[in-house]
Amino acid sequence: NAGVTQTPKFRVLKTGQSMTLLCAQDMNHEYMYWYRQDPGMGLRLIHYSVGEGTTAKGEVPDGYNVSRLKKQNFLLGLESAAPSQTSVYFCASSSPGQKQYFGPGTRLTVT
Amino acid sequence: AQSVTQPDIHITVSEGASLELRCNYSYGATPYLFWYVQSPGQGLQLLLKYFSGDTLVQGIKGFEAEFKRSQSSFNLRKPSVHWSDAAEYFCAVGAPGGSNYKLTFGKGTLLTVNP
Repeated sequence: NAGVTQTPKFRVLKTGQSMTLLCAQDMNHEYMYWYRQDPGMGLRLIHYSVGEGTTAKGEVPDGYNVSRLKKQNFLLGLESAAPSQTSVYFCASSSPGQKQYFGPGTRLTVT
Repeated sequence: AQSVTQPDIHITVSEGASLELRCNYSYGATPYLFWYVQSPGQGLQLLLKYFSGDTLVQGIKGFEAEFKRSQSSFNLRKPSVHWSDAAEYFCAVGAPGGSNYKLTFGKGTLLTVNP
């Protein structure tokens, strides 16, 4: 039981490049979340999903897209990366009404 | 909209001293409340949570927190801090409602433990 895993762990992009972050969970959780963490800002919710095939915007969705084609996977896409998207990205998953389990994070730098 | 305030950005305590980290929330009803800890370079680990019932909640690693509705607070406490407790601590609030909730996090309190 690996819990929540994130791929990749580190990535450096140039402005304008695109990439996809993968989150996978093996706990059969219905809900999945993407957060970004910036110094002095805590964690802010980007997008979330309450089930396969459904997604919704969180607090800071601009510049990101997500997809939940399979229950166990939640993808976060950056179509045209900007330096403001330099951050640490965390994925989480949960069952309805239960605590969220967090992945180890992906450190993204956009130059 | 819900919000969380952690008034202390950085706290330093001596090993063996007691600890209290403050958390105030804003929400129209009784929220779900959480404390998470993050060690350097790591993800977040849940210390404890409050959903309902007893307002004094026990968590892992000897931590406890008390929900005080009148003060809109959910302060985290530990009677004797260990060097391994040095980390960043996040308070979070979730809005009950059906079976779905989204967490709003505070900005965190960094704890330094002096030997």
